[in-house]
Amino acid sequence: GENVEQHPSTLSVQEGDSAVIKCTYSDSASNYFPWYKQELGKGPQLIIDIRSNVGEKKDQRIAVTLNKTAKHFSLHITETQPEDSAVYFCAASINVWGGGADGLTFGKGTHLIIQP
Amino acid sequence: DSGVTQTPKHLITATGQRVTLRCSPRSGDLSVYWYQQSLDQGLQFLIQYYNGEERAKGNILERFSAQQFPDLHSELNLSSLELGDSALYFCASSVDGGVADTQYFGPGTRLTVL
Repeated sequence: GENVEQHPSTLSVQEGDSAVIKCTYSDSASNYFPWYKQELGKGPQLIIDIRSNVGEKKDQRIAVTLNKTAKHFSLHITETQPEDSAVYFCAASINVWGGGADGLTFGKGTHLIIQP
Repeated sequence: DSGVTQTPKHLITATGQRVTLRCSPRSGDLSVYWYQQSLDQGLQFLIQYYNGEERAKGNILERFSAQQFPDLHSELNLSSLELGDSALYFCASSVDGGVADTQYFGPGTRLTVL
């Protein structure tokens, strides 16, 4: 089955600086890569996702890049703010149109700390 | 607020007991997923239902079962509970589980087995 590795496990950055979280996956058939943010006591919240026919996607201060050849994808957060402090999870999935969709395989998470 | 609701928020029970967790998907979503989150295993996919039928299975124990009802709400049944079953259980829903799908997570049920 799919295996997703996520690094680093903890990331501390100064407010206003950029943060980068990296993930690798093992199954070349995976074609959907979402990123979730989880705050204490809450469920994971989707922040951005990318599909395998796209190399990069951006939404305001958040961007995700995908390298299918190397089987890795990264989350970039620019101009970090205190409210960005949370645990971030990457995930991978095989979504087959009209067929059974697999559940998400998650990385172990990155605790992002924004220092004021 | 994702639009996915889960009840109860917290559940405390004893080893050997059986519990039922409930999930209501977002309006219009046909697919429901169950996940378990624990400190040692992280977030793990358990099972998926689509329009009442089981569609995909992950790392779900035989002591656990789920179903999706005609009104599309879903229940996860956990039986013969062990201490190691203590975890957060999340439900997620998506439109149809197909190629364009995004999963939206509920707030979770925290299960404590004593």
